[in-house]
This record gives sequence, structure tokens and C-alpha cells, in this order.
Amino acid sequence: QKEVEQDPGPLSVPEGAIVSLNCTYSNSAFQYFMWYRQYSRKGPELLMYTYSSGNKEDGRFTAQVDKSSKYISLFIRDSQPSDSATYLCAMSGYDYKLSFGAGTTVTVRA
Amino acid sequence: DAGVTQSPTHLIKTRGQQVTLRCSPISGHKSVSWYQQVLGQGPQFIFQYYEKEERGRGNFPDRFSARQFPNYSSELNVNALLLGDSALYLCASSLSPSVNTEAFFGQGTRLTVV
Repeated sequence: QKEVEQDPGPLSVPEGAIVSLNCTYSNSAFQYFMWYRQYSRKGPELLMYTYSSGNKEDGRFTAQVDKSSKYISLFIRDSQPSDSATYLCAMSGYDYKLSFGAGTTVTVRA
Repeated sequence: DAGVTQSPTHLIKTRGQQVTLRCSPISGHKSVSWYQQVLGQGPQFIFQYYEKEERGRGNFPDRFSARQFPNYSSELNVNALLLGDSALYLCASSLSPSVNTEAFFGQGTRLTVV
């Protein structure tokens, strides 16, 4: 079993729809939960992070963490074609490495 | 400010050869980490260096090695290349080794082994 599980999709939605992404994990030591966006042939770009459980909102993006269920989510409201990318969840404890999910490929259709 | 820069951007090597990848961190960042991203998968942690010392190593064979220089730039070396080493190699820099929420990635080096 992988430490971080993420459905690779692909996910295709019409412009303006809400995109819902999620990951599950098995390591109880994880304290930091991050979402990265990766465009084709580029490096990952940090979208937002959450420490421990709770919600965090940044513009059209909302991240949720439920440590009791070991489940994290990212919601993108009013999706735009420019949001088309691969979204990676990543997690870490109080150490030096990030553990990533496989990434979900999202296409927003104009 | 320049972001994390990696070189080369692409390269093709033959099985059994050796390769060196380079990374320059963001100015002021003293920690550099290396990740391998195979097509269709998420990045996998290879190494972290901080203040020129190895702080962590992932589950990779000894064919993989790295070092960090006094100016905090870093090199990743891979010996005896295998077809399975074909991947995007990513470098990430941060101010300190444990603040993973502030890790910034470069664009990566795409290595193809034939």
C-alpha cells in the first residue's frame, strides 16, 4: 500500500464547474498537507498548504484536512481553462521529505 | 529574484553511462532536495542537503549520489544508468531543511536513458 493515494483521473469538467480533488494517506505522523499544481513539462508549483486538521481558503481554492479520516481535499471554484493541469497532493511530518500522491490530471473545457 | 534553476533541461544517455545534474537554489536558501518523477507518478524523494551535509536519503540505490557546494548549489550523480532511471529529476530549495511548506521546485531535468 502506498503511503499517499490519489486517483490519477483524468478529470474533465466544463468551465465554471467546481473541481473536487482528494487524497488519502496512511502515515499518522503527517502534519503538513500541501497541494501543488504542475503544468506539462514544468516543475510543481505550491498552491496552498494546511497544518494539521482544518480548512483553508485562498481565492477560488479551498483545502480541507480531516486527520481522523486521513483524508484531504482541494476544491477549485469557478474553474477556468487555465486551471487545466496535474494536481499533486503532498504531505510531510516534522522532517525533511515530502511524500506525494500520483497526481490527478484535470482538464477544464471552455 | 531568480527561482530554482536546473541544468540541463533535457538530456539523453545510454544504458551504463553516468550523468550529472545541477541545481542552483533560490538566493538565501541553504537546503536543497532532489526528487525523481517517473511519467504518470508523483515525485519520489531522493536526497536532502543542508549546509553541505546530507540530511536525508530516500529509498534509492547507491548508484545515486549527491553533494552540495559552499554556494549551496548541488549536483545529483547517477552511475550505471538503467532504462528505469528515465524520469524528470526535480530540485527543490528551501530556507531550512524542515520547513517543507516553503519548498520551491525548479523546472526539472528530463533524463531519457536509451
